[in-house]
Amino acid sequence: DAGVIQSPRHEVTEMGQEVTLRCKPISGHDYLFWYRQTMMRGLELLIYFNNNVPIDDSGMPEDRFSAKMPNASFSTLKIQPSEPRDSAVYFCASSTYPDRYGYTFGSGTRLTVV
Amino acid sequence: DAKTTQPPSMDCAEGRAANLPCNHSTISGNEYVYWYRQIHSQGPQYIIHGLKNNETNEMASLIITEDRKSSTLILPHATLRDTAVYYCIVRVPYNTDKLIFGTGTRLQVFP
Repeated sequence: DAGVIQSPRHEVTEMGQEVTLRCKPISGHDYLFWYRQTMMRGLELLIYFNNNVPIDDSGMPEDRFSAKMPNASFSTLKIQPSEPRDSAVYFCASSTYPDRYGYTFGSGTRLTVV
Repeated sequence: DAKTTQPPSMDCAEGRAANLPCNHSTISGNEYVYWYRQIHSQGPQYIIHGLKNNETNEMASLIITEDRKSSTLILPHATLRDTAVYYCIVRVPYNTDKLIFGTGTRLQVFP
């Protein structure tokens, strides 16, 4: 298994542009999570899905952020318009239910908004 | 409110056992203790979890006190590759109970 796959690994964009981050979870995992990590705030849970349905998006910072999971093998996190304060590393993770073996995280996307 | 308390940093000599403590005095009966680690620039990695019995796997051992108010993660023979931030998290193993990361312990393994 290739694990959780995120793309791109690095993204540099200008303020105001739309940014889309992508995630492919582990096959058979029915939960998917998006986290954001910054030096100031550490690791924050933004949103999670169960069977492709968003369950809790209370961590999404504002309406500029949106996430979708059109099928069991693909999810996107979109920021529109992007701002410099969105610069962070964004991680995707997946798990089974219950998560007897923990969450499996991807390698992350490092986003820089200039 | 933080459910766990960990020292911000620790050092360990390569080849020695690394013992990482965690206090969780308000843990409830159905909450497990989870440990994750994050090596620089990588995503967090699950290590081990337990309810009340001591647990061991290929990565580490988890010792939970009888009153469950504290635990220790043991890396029996630390290597330089074990240098990372280690997170202790208490939660029930159902995904409706979110996996929330605190500040963790930064373990530095030195030669």
